[in-house]
Amino acid sequence: QSALTQPPSASGSPGQSVTISCTGTSSDVGGYNYVSWYQQHPGKAPKLMIYEVTKRPSGVPDRFSGSKSGNTASLTVSGLQAEDEADYYCSSYAGSNNFDVFGTGTKVTVL
Amino acid sequence: QVQLQESGPGLAKPSETLSLTCTVSGGSVSSYYWSWIRQPPGKGLEWIGYVYYSGSTNYKSSLKSRVTISLDTSKNQFSLKLNSVTAADTAVYYCARHSGATKTFDIWGQGTMVTVSS
Repeated sequence: QSALTQPPSASGSPGQSVTISCTGTSSDVGGYNYVSWYQQHPGKAPKLMIYEVTKRPSGVPDRFSGSKSGNTASLTVSGLQAEDEADYYCSSYAGSNNFDVFGTGTKVTVL
Repeated sequence: QVQLQESGPGLAKPSETLSLTCTVSGGSVSSYYWSWIRQPPGKGLEWIGYVYYSGSTNYKSSLKSRVTISLDTSKNQFSLKLNSVTAADTAVYYCARHSGATKTFDIWGQGTMVTVSS
């Protein structure tokens, strides 16, 4: 099972929006509506930001939103803030055998 | 509020077995998939495997021959054993709860660094 493909980096100025893509296959992203996004600050554990493609856990700001089209999922962070600077990883359910596959990760920089 | 905490040696010798335990507090190990995930320094996340509350397991295919994950419901703990380790197994190891319903890792431990070196 190969890792999902994400751009290595993305950036935006405070207040702007940034969108990160996550490309998989019909066996993972395209086959299930179970894409999640995690935020990871340096030296910290990942934090769940989006699950089931578009849903936000309690406490996650509505500036974070998710979507999916075909084999590609996306995370958009609107109204960028300094604390949004972090690494972001997507993941997708990939069936009962392969279970879950992560993306390669994207470093978001707030300029 | 459920919390996870990894514990175990921070150093393992090449060819030996890496052993870690995750203690679940604030909740029960019932009804979830309990996973181990690792992150080599400067690299991305890799799912290693899970143990279901029933005791069934599933492992990443490339690690299957070296991994054992087990559950101790009496202690509310689950454990990872990775044998025949090499330097490539050096990583931060996270334990995490996976919700079968939403198919997401919703709760993570803080992670523990394990270095493989003689």
